[in-house]
Amino acid sequence: KQEVTQIPAALSVPEGENLVLNCSFTDSAIYNLQWFRQDPGKGLTSLLLIQSSQREQTSGRLNASLDKSSGRSTLYIAASQPGDSATYLCAVFYGGATNKLIFGTGTLLAVQP
Amino acid sequence: DVKVTQSSRYLVKRTGEKVFLECVQDMDHENMFWYRQDPGLGLRLIYFSYDVKMKEKGDIPEGYSVSREKKERFSLILESASTNQTSMYLCASSSGTSWSDTQYFGPGTRLTVL
Repeated sequence: KQEVTQIPAALSVPEGENLVLNCSFTDSAIYNLQWFRQDPGKGLTSLLLIQSSQREQTSGRLNASLDKSSGRSTLYIAASQPGDSATYLCAVFYGGATNKLIFGTGTLLAVQP
Repeated sequence: DVKVTQSSRYLVKRTGEKVFLECVQDMDHENMFWYRQDPGLGLRLIYFSYDVKMKEKGDIPEGYSVSREKKERFSLILESASTNQTSMYLCASSSGTSWSDTQYFGPGTRLTVL
């Protein structure tokens, strides 16, 4: 069964700290992987998309890495700010018969001022 | 910027009512999706559409139907609302012939069925 897991479910850090969010997936035959941000009561905003042939993607203070062979991705946030507080969701796209995004349940991040 | 809008942010309905959730996107995207999001279960795909009048079942289509009469609009219909359909409903769209392209999400509709 294709599953996506995010641990921890919640994380609290002081402002300015660098942090890493983790995502693991059971089936390594992915097409791509996306990281989303969700603010309370709101929809999802796409942060980064990594194709299966790529190892990482960067956008500003965010860096996402992908290791297909171990079934893992990390989202690195540098110099965290209170405005980074949100839920971060990882989603894996499987092609073929699955042909859809499979989402993790997210990590709720709180950055304390 | 891609904009996906949903007709209501909050909705309260009674058991047995027919409920319509509307989603509109302004970027001429071919693909549109309906998800529901529940604590501990994440996002689950209800239905999706890759063209006007085309629809495909997702993982949890039971109790729902959809309509796509125009390219920009994708409606989710709860034929007879039940309390277990209380949830956050999210609409998304993406371009291209591949569903692997980035999906753009609307703000969500929080539906409560009493």
